[in-house]
This record gives sequence, structure tokens and C-alpha cells, in this order.
Amino acid sequence: GQNIDQPTEMTATEGAIVQINCTYQTSGFNGLFWYQQHAGEAPTFLSYNVLDGLEEKGRFSSFLSRSKGYSYLLLKELQMKDSASYLCAVRDGGATNKLIFGTGTLLAVQP
Amino acid sequence: GAVVSQHPSWVICKSGTSVKIECRSLDFQATTMFWYRQFPKQSLMLMATSNEGSKATYEQGVEKDKFLINHASLTLSTLTVTSAHPEDSSFYICSTRDRGRVFGYTFGSGTRLTVV
Repeated sequence: GQNIDQPTEMTATEGAIVQINCTYQTSGFNGLFWYQQHAGEAPTFLSYNVLDGLEEKGRFSSFLSRSKGYSYLLLKELQMKDSASYLCAVRDGGATNKLIFGTGTLLAVQP
Repeated sequence: GAVVSQHPSWVICKSGTSVKIECRSLDFQATTMFWYRQFPKQSLMLMATSNEGSKATYEQGVEKDKFLINHASLTLSTLTVTSAHPEDSSFYICSTRDRGRVFGYTFGSGTRLTVV
């Protein structure tokens, strides 16, 4: 089966740093994605990891450990507009390259 | 970048009726389209993968006779929710690979279905 787990909800303070974890057990693996989603809207791409290590992109960084089936998204200098759902998604290794999404984390940024 | 146009953005229908949702790739050919469903405060759940000119592949637990997927051309994929019931009320969203980018997936804007 496919299991991709995230904390359901997190709360953080404006200006702070927050780390959102994602653990996965999937039948195949060909990269891990992080998306941001506001309610009723399409997901917006944030980052992609296929090799172990840290990928940095402005205020957002993402880390991957394939041996541990683990990733995290790090958000720095939090802003109120960062309040949203954050979804990790694993691309399977099959021919279709389908994305399987994790359970999602709803982040609330407080003043 | 690639654009996928999804219609309608929202629809309200009566129980027992059918609803068709369309996803069109506007500036590229989408050989594969993924269909997801999202219930409130939950993540995206993959329902099926459609390939142009062939039958869709459904994920475990998804009723293929209830959720009819057609991918008759390289630019159009449709999802028809047949004999809709209130429990089918959800956010439906399509996605396709954007082959112009190494790690790109393009999403439609989603359809909010409410069955009354």
C-alpha cells in the first residue's frame, strides 16, 4: 500500500520558522514534491527532491532522506499569507508517473 | 507554461443526475490526465489515470461505473459523475504532466460539486 503521512495541523508565529514533516512508504519512488494549497484552489508547486539532501529556494527549503522515507519542508520568515495547506506528494516509479499525495498539513500563521 | 482549463468551476445538481467535468490542455498535448477528489480539510486522493485513446486506470476502491472517464483526444479529458449522491459532493481536480519542465505537473482550477 501507499502511506504518506503528515501532521494534520500546525500553528506558528509570524516571522518564525516552521518545519513540516512527511514520512512515506510507497511501492515506488521517483521524486518527492511539496505543494501549497489554499482552500478551493489548485495546488501550487513549491519544491522537488529526488536525491538526498536539502534544496533551498528563497524562504522555502525541502529535505529528503530516501533511506528513511522522510522529507520536510522548512518555511522561514513566516508571513500571514503562508497560512495554507501544505501537501507532500510522491511520484511513483511507474510508467504513468502519477503523484500520490500525503495527508496534508494545515498551517495557521498567527500574528 | 502549460495551462489546463477545467470547467465548470462549480456545479450544483440534484441527486440521481449526472455531471460532466472537462479538462482541456490549451497549449500542449496531454497524453495522460490524473483525476483527483478532495473532501473538505483532506488531501487530494487520486481517483484514476486516463490515457488518450485507451481505458482509464482506476485506483483501488474507486467505482469505474460511477466515475466515467473519457480521454478521446490529446487535449480533452472528461470525468462524468453518474447518478450523483450527496456523498459525491467534493472538490474534483485534474492534473497532467508538463513535459516542458523536468518536475512539472499542471493542475486544473478544480470543480466544486454539490449534490442536493
